[in-house]
Amino acid sequence: QQQVKQSPQSLIVQKGGISIINCAYENTAFDYFPWYQQFPGKGPALLIAIRPDVSEKKEGRFTISFNKSAKQFSLHIMDSQPGDSATYFCGCSGAGSYQLTFGKGTKLSVIP
Amino acid sequence: EAGVAQSPRYKIIEKRQSVAFWCNPISGHATLYWYQQILGQGPKLLIQFQNNGVVDDSQLPKDRFSAERLKGVDSTLKIQPAKLEDSAVYLCASSLLRGGYPSTDTQYFGPGTRLTVL
Repeated sequence: QQQVKQSPQSLIVQKGGISIINCAYENTAFDYFPWYQQFPGKGPALLIAIRPDVSEKKEGRFTISFNKSAKQFSLHIMDSQPGDSATYFCGCSGAGSYQLTFGKGTKLSVIP
Repeated sequence: EAGVAQSPRYKIIEKRQSVAFWCNPISGHATLYWYQQILGQGPKLLIQFQNNGVVDDSQLPKDRFSAERLKGVDSTLKIQPAKLEDSAVYLCASSLLRGGYPSTDTQYFGPGTRLTVL
């Protein structure tokens, strides 16, 4: 059973454009939703995270939009840059649990 | 601040051989995780330690995988015997474990060990 569904699998965006990656989850006990960024040969690194008590969180060019009723959240990267080219993973974890369940990842390529 | 250290970075073995991976977490981090990341997929938690005790090993294939965290600091993950399907990147992560909501504890990942089983 896939608890976290991430889409698209890959994404190509022009420099300066908006990149949008979506995640849907099933377990209503999840209460923490991070996005991780992974460059080739490196481990994932936390990019931005949100709790379900807010619908949006913005940090610089990165924004998470959260829809609790639809059990969906998305990552928006504004003014995408070639340096943003990486694989992005959404994650979900539940109340009182450390376990982080990841989506399958989205490979983003930002072309000049 | 030094990050999570892992070694070796790459390992190639024949099936049915054994292999061990080492992880040194960020200093002071109480919680340590081992993940398996198969090509094209997200990391999957294998085992989680809090200090030197196991918190969750429900997804660890215990017939062939074992892990320990002696003295609550560094950790080793062993596979014996290895199968072809064990080819993956093995990631170690650590987190501080602060009070309040443990699920928001940021996990810091090491660079991983890429295992190829032939």
